[in-house]
Amino acid sequence: QVTLKESGPGILQPSQTLSLTCTFSGFSLSTYGMGVGWIRQPSGKGLEWLANIWWDDDKYYNPSLKNRLTISKDTSNNQAFLKITNVDTADTATYYCARICITIAAGVMDAWGQGASVTVSS
Amino acid sequence: DIVMTQSPFSLAVSEGEMVTINCKSSQSLLSSGNQKNYLAWYQQKPGQSPKLLIYYASTRQSGVPDRFIGSGSGTDFTLTISDVQAEDLADYYCLQHYSSPLTFGSGTKLEIK
Repeated sequence: QVTLKESGPGILQPSQTLSLTCTFSGFSLSTYGMGVGWIRQPSGKGLEWLANIWWDDDKYYNPSLKNRLTISKDTSNNQAFLKITNVDTADTATYYCARICITIAAGVMDAWGQGASVTVSS
Repeated sequence: DIVMTQSPFSLAVSEGEMVTINCKSSQSLLSSGNQKNYLAWYQQKPGQSPKLLIYYASTRQSGVPDRFIGSGSGTDFTLTISDVQAEDLADYYCLQHYSSPLTFGSGTKLEIK
């Protein structure tokens, strides 16, 4: 059974760096084809893909966030991380991590965490 | 970036009816290598995380009822829900994963009369 759970600071101030952790089970990021993606959703709005990291440490980012994103992983502890620098109120959202696998479901996000709510406010 | 235009914004139907949700991409999502369309559909019920329904435009994810049907190719795609049930109350999103950055449609809110 694949499970994922996001954790984060809950609230932070503008200009700070947002650090999110995705702790997962049921798969390994050292296995060929596996990956973790990050997606966010402002309250009442749509979904925005942020970044993916793959088993071979290949990384993809949404260029709309203009180099503010850094994705990384800790394979031995089954965790993936996302950092967003210089946050502002527009980064207030629920942040999801999800499993991706190129050999399962065409490589799209097939298992999602429950989401971590992040509020940016002064 | 590939732009995904989803319609309608919302719709309301009675149980037992059929609904159709459309998604149009600004570029073809058909891979010439494997003849697969890189289009997925997600369902997000109130207060929940998104759930994968369909991938490769028409392949149902394991456990998804067969009243959810995905169709289309190239730039035009459709999610059809036949015999709508009260439990289908949700927002539905299309996603293109043909090229980075991955992009979602704006969503369709399905309400049950």
